[in-house]
Amino acid sequence: GENVEQHPSTLSVQEGDSAVIKCTYSDSASNYFPWYKQELGKRPQLIIDIRSNVGEKKDQRIAVTLNKTAKHFSLHITETQPEDSAVYFCAAGWGKLQFGAGTQVVVTP
Amino acid sequence: NAGVTQTPKFQVLKTGQSMTLQCAQDMNHEYMSWYRQDPGMGLRLIHYSVGAGITDQGEVPNGYNVSRSTTEDFPLRLLSAAPSQTSVYFCASSYGQGENTEAFFGQGTRLTVV
Repeated sequence: GENVEQHPSTLSVQEGDSAVIKCTYSDSASNYFPWYKQELGKRPQLIIDIRSNVGEKKDQRIAVTLNKTAKHFSLHITETQPEDSAVYFCAAGWGKLQFGAGTQVVVTP
Repeated sequence: NAGVTQTPKFQVLKTGQSMTLQCAQDMNHEYMSWYRQDPGMGLRLIHYSVGAGITDQGEVPNGYNVSRSTTEDFPLRLLSAAPSQTSVYFCASSYGQGENTEAFFGQGTRLTVV
């Protein structure tokens, strides 16, 4: 089955700096790669996703890149703000999703 | 649309008790899944379903049963609760294998087994 590894487990950044989270996956059949943000005590919510026929996707301050050959994908957050503080999860799959272990992002003013 | 609705939000069980976590969605989604979330371990898939009458095991299925008699409902049954099942449980649904496979999550059930 699919195995997703996510790094780093914690990430502390100064407000205004960029944050990068990286994930690798094992199943070459996976074709859908979403990123979820989870605030404390709340449900995970989708922030951006990418499909296997696309190498990069951007939505305002967040972007995702995908390298299918190397089986890795990354989340980039630019101009970080305190409200970006949360746990971020990557996932990979095709219908059934396998999640990474999560990255705790702390943005300090 | 209510989206994905989970009940209850909180539950305390004694070891050996059984219970059912309810999950319902009103988006006509094909796929439904149950995850458990433990600190530092992300979301681990317990069981999933690709449509009514079809279920399959995920990564951590032991101690849990599911059924999918309708498109809308996907209950998770704990047969004999154990302290190791203390966790936050999330139900999720999605369209499935088509273009839009975003998973929508319920609000979660915090379960404590004592």
